[in-house]
Amino acid sequence: GESVGLHLPTLSVQEGDNSIINCAYSNSASDYFIWYKQESGKGPQFIIDIRSNMDKRQGQRVTVLLNKTVKHLSLQIAATQPGDSAVYFCAEILTSGTYKYIFGTGTRLKVLA
Amino acid sequence: DVKVTQSSRYLVKRTGEKVFLECVQDMDHENMFWYRQDPGLGLRLIYFSYDVKMKEKGDIPEGYSVSREKKERFSLILESASTNQTSMYLCATTPGVGSPLHFGNGTRLTVT
Repeated sequence: GESVGLHLPTLSVQEGDNSIINCAYSNSASDYFIWYKQESGKGPQFIIDIRSNMDKRQGQRVTVLLNKTVKHLSLQIAATQPGDSAVYFCAEILTSGTYKYIFGTGTRLKVLA
Repeated sequence: DVKVTQSSRYLVKRTGEKVFLECVQDMDHENMFWYRQDPGLGLRLIYFSYDVKMKEKGDIPEGYSVSREKKERFSLILESASTNQTSMYLCATTPGVGSPLHFGNGTRLTVT
């Protein structure tokens, strides 16, 4: 079956350092990708997205990189803060035919003071 | 901002009970979804709806049904709750293909 993710279960980062969270996807036909942040007790919150015709997109303190050759997606968080502590997961969207969002299982980011 | 409201944050129900989970959105989005989230399994799609009175099965529809009588409201129904339906249930909406899903804060259901 299709899967998204080769997540490390937990990533610990020192406050102020940069974080890199990785995700692999299996379907080369996927043409849209999203990163979500989920804090404890809350629903997933949209962070940033990227379409397959791009290889990099930047937001506020976050950058998403897409490598279609190896089917790999990463989320970079600059100057990680305590408020960044959460579970992060990627979503892969198949927009041909019946569109379907496929989610990875997530990486827990812990920010160390 | 899109607001997706799930009526209950926590529910405890007994095996065999009929359970209703309600979701309301305020952005006039066409598409609404119900997922369940379990540790190590990620989000799995139960049902989705792309219009009023329309519904499509997702990956794990067994034991569930849905209702969409109004555009803003999408209900998930557990006809006869079982312990293996203990989970976090997330409702989501999107205006269309190729747009992010907007999630509610979830309902944590425990079936005893």
